[in-house]
Amino acid sequence: GQQLNQSPQSMFIQEGEDVSMNCTSSSIFNTWLWYKQDPGEGPVLLIALYKAGELTSNGRLTAQFGITRKDSFLNISASIPSDVGIYFCAGRRSTGTASKLTFGTGTRLQVTL
Amino acid sequence: GAVVSQHPSWVICKSGTSVKIECRSLDFQATTMFWYRQFPKQSLMLMATSNEGSKATYEQGVEKDKFLINHASLTLSTLTVTSAHPEDSSFYICSAARTGVYEQFFGPGTRLTVL
Repeated sequence: GQQLNQSPQSMFIQEGEDVSMNCTSSSIFNTWLWYKQDPGEGPVLLIALYKAGELTSNGRLTAQFGITRKDSFLNISASIPSDVGIYFCAGRRSTGTASKLTFGTGTRLQVTL
Repeated sequence: GAVVSQHPSWVICKSGTSVKIECRSLDFQATTMFWYRQFPKQSLMLMATSNEGSKATYEQGVEKDKFLINHASLTLSTLTVTSAHPEDSSFYICSAARTGVYEQFFGPGTRLTVL
């Protein structure tokens, strides 16, 4: 099935640094979501974006819904060791329904002290 | 709120046997549940979508006779892997969406190992 392209694929950063990652698609999505997955667990929703151009924050996390509706960005400020994990973007085409998600390829984040 | 559980959390079985995985929404009614498969270091791939009381909709390439999905109530969906083989070894994750809230809440996953 289709997957969204995420970059970078992985990154090593030092504690306290800011992190940026993005997600791109060849087609339009009407909802963009960002999830974090810890090893051996299911994904946990971090941020949901519903409108093109929308910028939403959740603590140290900020995400944006691209104007073209084909991309989204996630920024993490002042990273801490517990930020380690895999971050997935996900897109949904339908609005107003619990319809299926298309997941990105993932960005693996590792934070060093 | 919006807690989803899965049982078992891990299972090891012999090739040729069938394995059932349960997905429960603990504190809400889930009109729609989704089943995903995740291979090591890969993303989540949707296998099927199930709505309570109706047949599941399978994604292209997913064998419906091999992966039996039942969504008998608003809080329970089951995935049965029939005649499992080593290539079915994977991390199976369910998610649930509740009425009026369109975001999916994920379970903790079930690690299946087929020997």
